[in-house]
Amino acid sequence: KQEVTQIPAALSVPEGENLVLNCSFTDSAIYNLQWFRQDPGKGLTSLLLIQSSQREQTSGRLNASLDKSSGRSTLYIAASQPGDSATYLCAVTGAGANSKLTFGKGITLSVRP
Amino acid sequence: EPEVTQTPSHQVTQMGQEVILRCVPISNHLYFYWYRQILGQKVEFLVSFYNNEISEKSEIFDDQFSVERPDGSNFTLKIRSTKLEDSAMYFCASSSPGTRSYNEQFFGPGTRLTVL
Repeated sequence: KQEVTQIPAALSVPEGENLVLNCSFTDSAIYNLQWFRQDPGKGLTSLLLIQSSQREQTSGRLNASLDKSSGRSTLYIAASQPGDSATYLCAVTGAGANSKLTFGKGITLSVRP
Repeated sequence: EPEVTQTPSHQVTQMGQEVILRCVPISNHLYFYWYRQILGQKVEFLVSFYNNEISEKSEIFDDQFSVERPDGSNFTLKIRSTKLEDSAMYFCASSSPGTRSYNEQFFGPGTRLTVL
């Protein structure tokens, strides 16, 4: 059974800092990995999707990497801003056209002005 | 930009009552999902749906739950007799087949269900 872990559960950084959020998963037979952002009481916004054959994906100040063999992904946020404060969730899918997402519990990020 | 919509945003119900949560997936998507998130816990998969059939369901999705695509746009989750432990945020998601999408799932804003 796939398990996704995100440590630490919370992180507080000063504005402007570059930071790395970690995600690990137990079964390396994934199809893709998605990073989501969740604001308090809100839905999930897809930030980046990395296919299992890719090593990294970039969108603006965000860069996500994937090391499938070791079961790890990182989300790098450059020059963090207070508006980046949210919970960041990592989720993986298995093989299959409409395979389910298995989520980590998320990392709650607070960027201090 | 196309998005998944859900109604209502908040539903309060008495234990034992039936509720129907509604979703309108992105129009050209063919795969549909329901997930839930109990306060402070992980987002959990409930069910996936394709071609008017359930593709996969979790242990949570017991006989009290059902899904339906009653027309060409709506996708519904029904809970027949709600329990206190059904209180959660329920998310609908959809994705598109094809080699370019890689099953990227797009989520709605959620329905917060409170069972009293």
